[in-house]
Amino acid sequence: EDQVTQSPEALRLQEGESSSLNCSYTVSGLRGLFWYRQDPGKGPEFLFTLYSAGEEKEKERLKATLTKKESFLHITAPKPEDSATYLCAVQAGGGFQKLVFGTGTRLLVSP
Amino acid sequence: KAGVTQTPRYLIKTRGQQVTLSCSPISGHRSVSWYQQTPGQGLQFLFEYFSETQRNKGNFPGRFSGRQFSNSRSEMNVSTLELGDSALYLCASSEIEGGEQYFGPGTRLTVT
Repeated sequence: EDQVTQSPEALRLQEGESSSLNCSYTVSGLRGLFWYRQDPGKGPEFLFTLYSAGEEKEKERLKATLTKKESFLHITAPKPEDSATYLCAVQAGGGFQKLVFGTGTRLLVSP
Repeated sequence: KAGVTQTPRYLIKTRGQQVTLSCSPISGHRSVSWYQQTPGQGLQFLFEYFSETQRNKGNFPGRFSGRQFSNSRSEMNVSTLELGDSALYLCASSEIEGGEQYFGPGTRLTVT
């Protein structure tokens, strides 16, 4: 069964204090690994898709990396507006769209 | 382009009733997926549609059903509502198989 585990569950940072979020996964034939950001009461906002080990993608203060067993979301010099829940999801091969999500990391960045 | 839209945004129903939720995907997107989000279980896959065909279904009882129309708009229906069906129901659309999935704002369903 495909599984995604995210750690830590919650993370509190000071503005400017860089850190990383972890996403460990087991999946039968990874098709893609997705990162989303979700603000309270809203739908998840797409951030990145990674397809193969060694791939990296960046967007502003965020950088996502992928290995064969896990993915990291690095947050460099975060700002209070980066506070949100970050969700990781995997999509298995087989031609389907189904995403299996982790439970997320709640990030709070204090000024 | 307009994003994924879902209606209604909020809904309160009583146990035993049924409910229909609607999703309009991003223009040009033919794939629509539905998810249920609860504090205890997180985001769980309900089903996905492509070109009016259900291609995959998650592990939910038969009370949960859906359909997709020729214009790619989708509806999901929950019959005989239970208290445990209270959740945020999210719709996501994708242009191609395996492509990025973009979520709507969700419908918050409360069952009393």
